[in-house]
Amino acid sequence: KAGVTQTPRYLIKTRGQQVTLSCSPISGHRSVSWYQQTPGQGLQFLFEYFSETQRNKGNFPGRFSGRQFSNSRSEMNVSTLELGDSALYLCASSLEGAGNTEAFFGQGTRLTVV
Amino acid sequence: GDSVTQMEGPVTLSEEAFLTINCTYTATGYPSLFWYVQYPGEGLQLLLKATKADDKGSNKGFEATYRKETTSFHLEKGSVQVSDSAVYFCALRDGAGNMLTFGGGTRLMVKP
Repeated sequence: KAGVTQTPRYLIKTRGQQVTLSCSPISGHRSVSWYQQTPGQGLQFLFEYFSETQRNKGNFPGRFSGRQFSNSRSEMNVSTLELGDSALYLCASSLEGAGNTEAFFGQGTRLTVV
Repeated sequence: GDSVTQMEGPVTLSEEAFLTINCTYTATGYPSLFWYVQYPGEGLQLLLKATKADDKGSNKGFEATYRKETTSFHLEKGSVQVSDSAVYFCALRDGAGNMLTFGGGTRLMVKP
């Protein structure tokens, strides 16, 4: 059974550019969540999508957006990149929409903004 | 809002030593509690979980008990191995959806 796949694994972008990260959840999982991990702020929740609808949103500026497709694959987009957006972006998928189900994480996309 | 506080690291132990990593939480509801582990260059792996008060989660020799009265979920292992060296995160999920609130992480280094 394939795990959560995030692409690309590594990315280098210039300030002011925009970037799109992709996440393919485990087959059958309908919930996808995104997290930002930095040395200073730790792991912070960005947003969660379930059945193509954003269900929860963290405290990030509007430059951070996401979407989910009918096959449950998800993308997140960051526009007008800033140096502080350099981070490991992690995606997690879960089988059910809510309740006590396990979140499976991908290996992450390492974004470096220069 | 919800929050998780865990002891700062790094924690350095010799092989076969006893491990405790403290974790306390603040939540408005009745959260589920988790310990995740992150190895270098990897994402997070679920180590164990507990969904209600007095539940004990266990896996690979690690244990943690959900203590509602002290709002704690401390991670323990009786005898650590070099291969346990990693960063450990305590987390909670409260309310609808799958949003996790994480502690700051504790780096564990085990020396042979």
